[in-house]
Amino acid sequence: DVKVTQSSRYLVKRTGEKVFLECVQDMDHENMFWYRQDPGLGLRLIYFSYDVKMKEKGDIPEGYSVSREKKERFSLILESASTNQTSMYLCASTSGETQYFGPGTRLLVL
Amino acid sequence: AQTVTQSQPEMSVQEAETVTLSCTYDTSESDYYLFWYKQPPSRQMILVIRQEAYKQQNATENRFSVNFQKAAKSFSLKISDSQLGDAAMYFCAIGGNQFYFGTGTSLTVIP
Repeated sequence: DVKVTQSSRYLVKRTGEKVFLECVQDMDHENMFWYRQDPGLGLRLIYFSYDVKMKEKGDIPEGYSVSREKKERFSLILESASTNQTSMYLCASTSGETQYFGPGTRLLVL
Repeated sequence: AQTVTQSQPEMSVQEAETVTLSCTYDTSESDYYLFWYKQPPSRQMILVIRQEAYKQQNATENRFSVNFQKAAKSFSLKISDSQLGDAAMYFCAIGGNQFYFGTGTSLTVIP
């Protein structure tokens, strides 16, 4: 079975803090994605990566950055967290045409 | 650009009955895949069913089936013999190199 894990299920941070969300997949997938999920807006793509050290902006990259130093790990970084970044963050990986999702991290920024 | 539209924010179905969730999409790609994902409350998003656009035959997976109308760019999901465990948010998605998701349909199953 494909396994995508995320470092935290729930996080509470303060405005201005630097926040790291980690995602790990164990299937040697080349492509990895970060989405945020908000009610009524569905899933919106923040960043994706096709290979180690490669990254591409998605639809809403502002306020975020990513890091992919190893194939299995894709990190999402909030450089200075703001309250409008309170959301559910989903990581996914693909090999071929299907995406497999992690359990999600629910982030609250106070 | 690709877009996915789910026009039903909420649906309900009686247990053991059949329900159909609607999805339309727009794409300029000729080669793509369509998906339905299920997200139970506070649980992980999982793949329900997948359809290759070049295949005319509708995909089926146990109680889940799709009605794929390529010319109309429609991709609906039919759930037969609904069960309480089917209650979830359902997302329609189109994929190729990137994936685009609809806004979701919340399905309630009434005992």
